[in-house]
Amino acid sequence: AQSVTQPDIHITVSEGASLELRCNYSYGATPYLFWYVQSPGQGLQLLLKYFSGDTLVQGIKGFEAEFKRSQSSFNLRKPSVHWSDAAEYFCAVGTTDSWGKLQFGAGTQVVVTP
Amino acid sequence: DAGVTQSPTHLIKTRGQQVTLRCSPKSGHDTVSWYQQALGQGPQFIFQYYEEEERQRGNFPDRFSGHQFPNYSSELNVNALLLGDSALYLCASSLLGQGNYEQYFGPGTRLTVT
Repeated sequence: AQSVTQPDIHITVSEGASLELRCNYSYGATPYLFWYVQSPGQGLQLLLKYFSGDTLVQGIKGFEAEFKRSQSSFNLRKPSVHWSDAAEYFCAVGTTDSWGKLQFGAGTQVVVTP
Repeated sequence: DAGVTQSPTHLIKTRGQQVTLRCSPKSGHDTVSWYQQALGQGPQFIFQYYEEEERQRGNFPDRFSGHQFPNYSSELNVNALLLGDSALYLCASSLLGQGNYEQYFGPGTRLTVT
């Protein structure tokens, strides 16, 4: 069965420290991958996407993610976290034969401490 | 350039009633997808509309129905509301010509069923 897993429900990080959020997927077809961020009471904002090509992708707000096909992973990273990065982060996966239907992970809540 | 807009922002309904939620896609987009996000969970795909037809559907009962108008805007209708239908309903738009791979989300409609 197709699945998207975000192993960490909750992560606490100090401001200025680095952040890595994990995402693993299980899909039969070639996936395309996204990371979205959601602030409290808000909709989803696209941080970055991977369709093909260079496996290290850059996004907005200083985020980057690396696609590793052998590990079925698409982890999100940021070298130095700002207090405004506190939010919930969702990994999402789609395929070329699912016609734009995205499957989301359960999300990782990020708390930033001073 | 207006993004995806949704109305109303919040809605309170009684069990058994019917509700209609509305979505206007991002300018230039022709495809609308609807997602349900229960508290503490990732969004779940409900269905997708293109050319005024339902093109894909997730695992939701027939109580959930939709419509797309010639101007690409869309409605989500839910009949016979259950307490479990309480959630944030997100609309996302995309452009078929770009393969639907990038979806832009609206701020959502918070539905509470009492």
